[in-house]
Amino acid sequence: KAGVTQTPRYLIKTRGQQVTLSCSPISGHRSVSWYQQTPGQGLQFLFEYFSETQRNKGNFPGRFSGRQFSNSRSEMNVSTLELGDSALYLCASSRDIQNTEAFFGQGTRLTVV
Amino acid sequence: KNQVEQSPQSLIILEGKNCTLQCNYTVSPFSNLRWYKQDTGRGPVSLTIMTFSENTKSNGRYTATLDADTKQSSLHITASQLSDSASYICVGDRGSTLGRLYFGRGTQLTVWP
Repeated sequence: KAGVTQTPRYLIKTRGQQVTLSCSPISGHRSVSWYQQTPGQGLQFLFEYFSETQRNKGNFPGRFSGRQFSNSRSEMNVSTLELGDSALYLCASSRDIQNTEAFFGQGTRLTVV
Repeated sequence: KNQVEQSPQSLIILEGKNCTLQCNYTVSPFSNLRWYKQDTGRGPVSLTIMTFSENTKSNGRYTATLDADTKQSSLHITASQLSDSASYICVGDRGSTLGRLYFGRGTQLTVWP
């Protein structure tokens, strides 16, 4: 059974650009959540999607957005990139909204220069 | 305030030795306490999940303990191996959805030959 797949694995962008990250959950999982991980802050919750609807949102500016498709795949978008957005972005999936056994992908390493 | 604190921040041990990592949590309501292992540049992988009624849970050479009264947990690693070098993250779960996971900043363990 394939795990959570995130693409791309690495990304380099310049300030002011925008970026889209993709996450394919484990087959049959319908809940997807996104996290930002930086050395100083650890893992911070961005948002969670279930059945194409955002169910929870962390404390991040509106430049961070996401969506979920009917096949449960999810994308995360960051607009007007800042240097501080450099981080490892992790996606996790679970079977459903009330099952919190989370399985993480390998992450996308975003570097903003 | 919901938070998870881990100690020590980093730890170096020799191969074959045992070690214990600590976690203090204030998460309410409390559903379960998790430990994850994260290799550098990879996503976290679940080691143990314990509900408030469980005192101890093992996964191979990893043994987690939970004291729900003092809100403390520990992760004991026996006969350490070089592959144990990683960050170990304690997570408090309020239940219900992935958006209710609270992550510690992790303990960076380095095992030397």
